[in-house]
Amino acid sequence: QVQLVQSGAEVKKPGASVKVSCKASGYTFTSYGISWVRQAPGQGLEWMGWISAYNGNTKYAQKLQGRVTMTTDTSTSTAYMELRSLRPDDTAVYYCARSVGSDYHFDYWGQGTLVTVSS
Amino acid sequence: QSVLTQPPSASGTPGQRVTISCSGSSSNIGINYVYWYQQLPGTAPKLLIYSNNQRPSGVPDRFSGSKSGTSASLAISGLRSEDEADYYCAAWDDSLSGWVFGGGTKLTVL
Repeated sequence: QVQLVQSGAEVKKPGASVKVSCKASGYTFTSYGISWVRQAPGQGLEWMGWISAYNGNTKYAQKLQGRVTMTTDTSTSTAYMELRSLRPDDTAVYYCARSVGSDYHFDYWGQGTLVTVSS
Repeated sequence: QSVLTQPPSASGTPGQRVTISCSGSSSNIGINYVYWYQQLPGTAPKLLIYSNNQRPSGVPDRFSGSKSGTSASLAISGLRSEDEADYYCAAWDDSLSGWVFGGGTKLTVL
């Protein structure tokens, strides 16, 4: 069965960086992409970007361009999302999700990683 | 302010049919597929409807989706207590070149 297992919760100070991992299993990792979606406390969902696990191509949300980097390690079937220059409003649960189809929609999701940004 | 507009709340009694609307524009719902996600309290979202009206394996046929023009709807028939959750619509937006979501609708089963 498809599973996406994310790394644990993080607490960071403003200005720092965070790197969240997402380990995939139960499918051929390089046949799909991985998207990242975040959800601030009590708020809705926000798409952050997508990476192809096949060739590493990326597409980032305009709002996060320059602060976010998505990578994959095909040897371990793991995707990573790094967010830099953290601000308090980056406090959120960060989800990875498998991207499928011609429009890269999300079918399976990880359990989420809470990132708290506070001084 | 979400790009797609959903009512913040909806409610119904067990066995009833409820619908949740999702309004967009010509750059998203008007030309791309709509997806619906169910988020139970404290859990990750789950794909409920894809490509406007298709159900993934395992999703009961009580859930159905439709799209007309720049709007879409999710219908839940035979409402059950376990349907109490937040529901989100999503679509690719060609102008923003990214995925956009509705603000979510909290469904309460009375």
